[in-house]
Parts: sequence; C-alpha cells; structure tokens
Amino acid sequence: AQKVTQAQTEISVVEKEDVTLDCVYETRDTTYYLFWYKQPPSGELVFLIRRNSFDEQNEISGRYSWNFQKSTSSFNFTITASQVVDSAVYFCALKVSNNNDMRFGAGTRLTVKP
Amino acid sequence: DVKVTQSSRYLVKRTGEKVFLECVQDMDHENMFWYRQDPGLGLRLIYFSYDVKMKEKGDIPEGYSVSREKKERFSLILESASTNQTSMYLCASSVGGLNTEAFFGQGTRLTVV
Repeated sequence: AQKVTQAQTEISVVEKEDVTLDCVYETRDTTYYLFWYKQPPSGELVFLIRRNSFDEQNEISGRYSWNFQKSTSSFNFTITASQVVDSAVYFCALKVSNNNDMRFGAGTRLTVKP
Repeated sequence: DVKVTQSSRYLVKRTGEKVFLECVQDMDHENMFWYRQDPGLGLRLIYFSYDVKMKEKGDIPEGYSVSREKKERFSLILESASTNQTSMYLCASSVGGLNTEAFFGQGTRLTVV
C-alpha cells in the first residue's frame, strides 16, 4: 500500500524566514514518482515539481528547493526567504508503477505574515 | 494550457437528492480523477477512469458512482446525498504514465443540508 504523511498541519512564519515542509512516504515499489502541489486560496492545485525514485539529486528553482532522501523516505520542500504570496496549502503526492492514481498527503497550511 | 473545468464552484443540495458533479478537460487526457478534500485528511481518491467507460474505485467510493461516456468528460454522481458528503470535490486529469502530473479543476464546494 502507498501512503504519504505530512506531519505538519499548519506552519506560520514571518516574511523572509526560511521554511521547510516535510513529506514522508511509504511504498514497496522500487519505481515511483513524488510530486509537490500548491493550493492557493483560489482552490486550484498547481503542480510544482516531480521527482522519480532513481534520481536523488536535489533540485533548486528560484526560492524553492527540494531534498529527496530515499534512506529516510522523505521528500522535503524548502522555501527560502518566504513571501506573503507563498501562503497556501502544500501537498505532497506519490505515484507508483502499474498504477494510474496519485496518493496525497493531508497537506500543510503555510501562512506567511508580513 | 491544460484546462480542467468543473461545472459549479458552489452547490447546496438537500439530503436524499441525486447530485451530479461535472468535469471537462480539453487536453485529450486518458486519465481522469475525482478527489474529495477535507481538513486534516488531504485529498482522498473517490474514483478514477483511465479510458472511456472504464473506471476504478479509489479509497472512498461508497455513496458515489461515476460516468465517463466521452473522453473529455467525467461525472461524479451522489446517488442520495447525505450531510457527511459535504466537502470540497476536486476533479483532475492526466496523460497516462507514471511520470505525469495531474491537472486540477478549481473545485466544487458541495454543501448537503
């Protein structure tokens, strides 16, 4: 069975602080993909990044970075110098081979205060 | 841009009513999904479809059915709405394959009274 755990329900930071959102996954498959989505107040989930199980290289995109560690089954997301516009609910998701669906964590609500 | 459109942003229905939630995508995607989003529970998969007239149960199919008569349209049906089905419903679509992300609609907030 596949499972995604986002233990942080809500995080509140002040603008310009760095913040890390945790994601831990469970699967017996050796081939899988991990995803991060952002859900702003408007409601529509926006895709941020995908990472396959064979690529443990960390990725940086502007103020966003992702740390994938198979040894701890984690795929954490860091926002550097947070901004008010980063306020949203962030979801981590898992997709495994031979399966069409995507399984999501419970989400982390990030509030960035000015 | 991929567009996934859900027919209603907000709906209020009475207990026992039959409710139809409609979703249309314009990118010829094979896969379509219905999720339910509740606070603290994240997105839970209700049903998905990988082809016309094909469907698979997700984690919480009870009380729901789906219909996919055309590739671009995926309908979620609440046979007899109950108050515990009050929730945000999200439709998504994707190309087939492991490495493909899903594209989401704006969501339908359904209230059953």
